[in-house]
This record gives sequence, C-alpha cells and structure tokens, in this order.
Amino acid sequence: DQQVKQNSPSLSVQEGRISILNCDYTNSMFDYFLWYKKYPAEGPTFLISISSIKDKNEDGRFTVFLNKSAKHLSLHIVPSQPGDSAVYFCAAVFGNEKLTFGTGTRLTIIP
Amino acid sequence: EAGVTQFPSHSVIEKGQTVTLRCDPISGHDNLYWYRRVMGKEIKFLLHFVKESKQDESGMPNNRFLAERTGGTYSTLKVQPAELEDSGVYFCASSQAWRGETQYFGPGTRLLVL
Repeated sequence: DQQVKQNSPSLSVQEGRISILNCDYTNSMFDYFLWYKKYPAEGPTFLISISSIKDKNEDGRFTVFLNKSAKHLSLHIVPSQPGDSAVYFCAAVFGNEKLTFGTGTRLTIIP
Repeated sequence: EAGVTQFPSHSVIEKGQTVTLRCDPISGHDNLYWYRRVMGKEIKFLLHFVKESKQDESGMPNNRFLAERTGGTYSTLKVQPAELEDSGVYFCASSQAWRGETQYFGPGTRLLVL
C-alpha cells in the first residue's frame, strides 16, 4: 500500500520555464512533507520541506505548496535550470516516524 | 566535514551468498537510518538506530537481514543468504535531530544478486 504517490515518472521542461512536480498522499496523519533531489550515483539531498500547518514554503527558486484537503503537494521550480535535471522524491513524515517516499519523478531540463 | 560514506559502492553476488554493507555516518550523528530502493520504485525505510539501539526496525523485510551498530558509530547491514529480490540500492542516512529535513544520505550501495 503506497501512501505517497508520484504519478508522473518523468517530466521535460525547457530551460527558463517553470517546472511543476506533483505528489499525492493517502495518510491524513502525515504532518511534515519534504522534497529530495537525487543525481545519478548519489544519495538523495534534502531540498525543501513544509509543515502541515502551512500551505506554502518558498526558498529561492523552489516553492512547495500543500493542499491538505486534496492530500496533494507540489514543487515549483522557477526558472528551471539545466542543473535541476535530476530525480525528485516527495517524502512524508508523521510525528517522529520514518520517512515515507514516493517513487520519484525524473526531471529533464532542455537547454 | 565528511559526509555519510558507504562501502562497497557496488556488490555483485550469487543467490545464497552473504553480503555485508557498511555505513559510516557523519561524526556526532546519533541517528542512523537504512533505506532501500528496488528497481526504480520508492525508497523504502528499513530501520533506524539511535546510537547503538534499534529504535524502529519495522521495515526490515525478513530475518535474512541483520543490522548492527556497535558502539553507536558505524553500522553494518548483513544479508544472509541473499535472494534475487534483495537486489537494489541500499542507502544509509544520518541525522542529529529526529526530523526528516536533517537526514543526510550516503551515495548508496548497489547490490545485484544473480
């Protein structure tokens, strides 16, 4: 039973445009959400997070939006740059419990 | 400051053999986690150490997997005997605090069981 879902395995975006990565979850007990970025042959790197008491968190070019009623979050990257090409994982946490990850979305930025 | 290191980076073994993976966390990090990613699927939690104690091992697939963290420093994950479905990338992560945003991941060990 997959509690965190990323339904788009891949996404291609032109350089300079906005990249939008989506994530859905089923467990309403999750209270913290994170996005990780992963390059080939490397481990995931923390990118940005959001608490369930907020609906938006921004860090430079990266913004995460949370819609609790829809159990949906999204990561916006604007403007997209070639170095953003990577696999992005959505993850969720309940309390101090373990991270629950999605399957990842491979983002390709086209120069 | 050195990051999380894992050894070996790759391992190819035959079904029935034993493999031991090692993780060295960031110095001073009490929390150590093991995760696994199989064939492009989600990254799945295996277990969590706080110092040398197993805090949560609910993700361990079965008793063929044994994790240890002697002295609360490095950790090993042994698979004995290995099965085909054990193939995947095994990640280790460490953190000071007990929250997801402070988990630092190692590069992973790619295990292939033939």
